[in-house]
Amino acid sequence: GAVVSQHPSRVICKSGTSVKIECRSLDFQATTMFWYRQFPKQSLMLMATSNEGSKATYEQGVEKDKFLINHASLTLSTLTVTSAHPEDSSFYICSARESPSGGAGGEQFFGPGTRLTVL
Amino acid sequence: DAKTTQPNSMESNEEEPVHLPCNHSTISGTDYIHWYRQLPSQGPEYVIHGLTSNVNNRMASLAIAEDRKSSTLILHRATLRDAAVYYCIFHWGNSGNTPLVFGKGTRLSVIA
Repeated sequence: GAVVSQHPSRVICKSGTSVKIECRSLDFQATTMFWYRQFPKQSLMLMATSNEGSKATYEQGVEKDKFLINHASLTLSTLTVTSAHPEDSSFYICSARESPSGGAGGEQFFGPGTRLTVL
Repeated sequence: DAKTTQPNSMESNEEEPVHLPCNHSTISGTDYIHWYRQLPSQGPEYVIHGLTSNVNNRMASLAIAEDRKSSTLILHRATLRDAAVYYCIFHWGNSGNTPLVFGKGTRLSVIA
């Protein structure tokens, strides 16, 4: 199956700094990628939908100025957590489907996740 | 909001079959039923999906009720590596641009 990678897999940073997480589709093109966040013992929560060449669509309650998403190419989307604070510590997961149609009802491929710890 | 109902947890003995139920009474005619699983500290992994007919693949089988308001994921012989959280999701099948929305899932424990 198709592969989605994330970098870094783990990051520890000080409060107030910004952290960038990269999500790449390695063997397919993705016009749309999705960003999720997962706190311990909880389910995945959708944060935003990232569209290549246009602005991301954020879910209610997710601050667009804090979580900056850039989808500059068909294989790369980035999530930047600006001025990170301890409450932003979480497991961030990206996902993508193949373009253009992705196949009706088809598989959504997930990255391995990035664990962010803010001290 | 999650639209599926799954038991919070289930337990199985190794090498025995496991039936993971899911209720999705509000599913519409164009929604596909997807199952994903998430092993600890990993991203979700696709298991199987279907629309109306039962489906089989190398990982599992999916049995879909005739009225499509429920489905069952069947692991034919559970192994320790199958211990994970299993998510049942229904999703509109006509667009690749809409995300999967996860509910709480079922945490499956496999006992050796």
